[in-house]
Amino acid sequence: EVQLLESGGGLVQPGGSLRLSCAAPGFTFENYAMSWVRQAPGKGLEWVSIIGETGDTQYANSVKGRFIISRDNSKNTLFLQMNSLRADDTAVYYCAKGAELHFPKSRYFDFWGQGVLVTVSS
Amino acid sequence: DIQMTQSPSSVSASVGDRVTITCRASQGISGGLAWYQQKSGRAPKLLIYAASNLQSGVPSRFSGSGSGTDFTLAISSLQPEDFATYYCQQVNSFPLTFGPGTKVDVK
Repeated sequence: EVQLLESGGGLVQPGGSLRLSCAAPGFTFENYAMSWVRQAPGKGLEWVSIIGETGDTQYANSVKGRFIISRDNSKNTLFLQMNSLRADDTAVYYCAKGAELHFPKSRYFDFWGQGVLVTVSS
Repeated sequence: DIQMTQSPSSVSASVGDRVTITCRASQGISGGLAWYQQKSGRAPKLLIYAASNLQSGVPSRFSGSGSGTDFTLAISSLQPEDFATYYCQQVNSFPLTFGPGTKVDVK
């Protein structure tokens, strides 16, 4: 059974850093692209970043240069290092699995974690 | 960046109604579109991918159509568990973008 288990959220001051993790048991993690998607309180969905099975990455313009996505295939874990955090980064962050290995289905998200709340405030 | 719009932003409907939601892309995306359902406090759920393909396990009352810039999600006979917010997403190019959502609530 596919599971996506996020952790690492919490309250952080503006300008601070936080590292999110997503443990992904139940499937062959190394064979799938993985993404982070966030949702600000009461707002819609915003894609944040994707990492392919070979480690290639893409970012939303709003986080480029501040966030770094990475993966550890030996531990079936996805990460999001968030630096220079701003108030508008406050959101629930979801880890999401790509539906298949290759484009375009790698960009459809067939499983999602429960989400982890990141609050940026002084 | 490709901008996604949805209409209506909200719709009030009754059980058994047919509901349609439209999604428009600011430029052509071929068939690279997904639809997700999100219930309050829950993670989104993939309903439709590649514009018209039903995700495994999703009831057949959901259907998707369209290509290029204009897409539609239809619910043929609304069920109580279908009251939720629906989002479209384009996958044709980075950055991936979602529509603003359409809330389906009880009339």
